[in-house]
Amino acid sequence: DQQVKQNSPSLSVQEGRISILNCDYTNSMFDYFLWYKKYPAEGPTFLISISSIKDKNEDGRFTVFLNKSAKHLSLHIVPSQPGDSAVYFCAASAENYGQNFVFGPGTRLSVLP
Amino acid sequence: NAGVMQNPRHLVRRRGQEARLRCSPMKGHSHVYWYRQLPEEGLKFMVYLQKENIIDESGMPKERFSAEFPKEGPSILRIQQVVRGDSAAYFCASSPLGAEQYFGPGTRLTVT
Repeated sequence: DQQVKQNSPSLSVQEGRISILNCDYTNSMFDYFLWYKKYPAEGPTFLISISSIKDKNEDGRFTVFLNKSAKHLSLHIVPSQPGDSAVYFCAASAENYGQNFVFGPGTRLSVLP
Repeated sequence: NAGVMQNPRHLVRRRGQEARLRCSPMKGHSHVYWYRQLPEEGLKFMVYLQKENIIDESGMPKERFSAEFPKEGPSILRIQQVVRGDSAAYFCASSPLGAEQYFGPGTRLTVT
């Protein structure tokens, strides 16, 4: 039973356009969400986070939106660059889970020049 | 300021042997997490440790797997009597309390 879902295994976007990566979760206790980026043969790198008291968090080209009622979050990258090509993982945790993060299966983003 | 270190980066073991994976957290981080990534799958939480304590091992298989984070030295993930299904990438992450986790480069275990 997947608590964190990323239904698109892959996504291709033209350089300069917007990339939108989606993530859905089933556990209403989740209150803290993160996005990680992973290049081949490397560990995941933290990108951006959002807590459930917010519905938007922005950091440069990266913006995360949270819709608690729909149990949905999305990561927007604009403008997309070829160096953004990687696998993106959504992760969620609940305060009473400590720091046990549940990861989604990932979405492979390819930004085409 | 070194990041999270893991060694070895690649480990090959025959079925039935033991695998030991090491993780040195970032300086100042007292919380360590181990994750496993099977081919074509996402990261699966295994265990969360603080110095000398296992806080949450709900993701650890009941048998053959153990983890420790001693007062001195790295955290160790130990897999006894490895089987082919243990072949995966094992990632360690560390954090200060209540913050995002920083991941190491991973150890790729291959069981032949």
